[in-house]
Amino acid sequence: DIVMTQSPLSLPVTPGEPASISCRSSQSLLHSSGYFYLDWYLQKPGRSPQILIYLGSYRASGVPDRFSGSGSGTDFTLKISRVEAEDVGVYYCMQTLQSRTFGQGTKVEIK
Amino acid sequence: QVQLQESGPGLVKPSETLSLTCIVSGGSISGHYWSWVRQPPGKGLEWIGYIHYSGTTNYSPSLRSRLTFSADTSKNQFSLRLSSATAADTAVYFCARLRADDIFTFYHYMDVWGKGASVTVSS
Repeated sequence: DIVMTQSPLSLPVTPGEPASISCRSSQSLLHSSGYFYLDWYLQKPGRSPQILIYLGSYRASGVPDRFSGSGSGTDFTLKISRVEAEDVGVYYCMQTLQSRTFGQGTKVEIK
Repeated sequence: QVQLQESGPGLVKPSETLSLTCIVSGGSISGHYWSWVRQPPGKGLEWIGYIHYSGTTNYSPSLRSRLTFSADTSKNQFSLRLSSATAADTAVYFCARLRADDIFTFYHYMDVWGKGASVTVSS
């Protein structure tokens, strides 16, 4: 099984400032297609999760461009260029290479 | 637009079967994959599995022995059955559509989610 490890687990942020979340997988997420099989989801308080990023770096439709995904192999990063108040919630990475596995989640809150 | 609604008993007795249905409105289940995800109280997300409208399934290895998915195109809904329920199965259960990307058509991600159904396993 592929294990996903996120850090930090809690991230206090200041509106207008950048933020970054790390996600590491226990094995490479590189698919034979040449793409990395990793998604990022955000679960806002009291809401269902929503897709942000797929294939490691592609923004889903309607996702603001302040969100970006990067990485390769086993190390991936979600960056928010300028945090807004509406970005609070728990962020999850999820590998889709072998079955699907979520990371533990990173709780982002305003300082 | 497509909307999903989970339905089922909120309370299940230990050792009994947990059953949930996801009703799809505003679109057809045909042509898509549909998934289930759960979230124990105060904890993170756990992927359960997915079903194609044609009946093809993919289950989480940790739950495979107890899981059964089904899809009913005539009712435009799909269902989950988890046998031998225990307190560890207490969670909010979400259904979601696995959408094929417009450009990367080989890749699917969960783009539409239900609001979730809370299920407690207790005597």
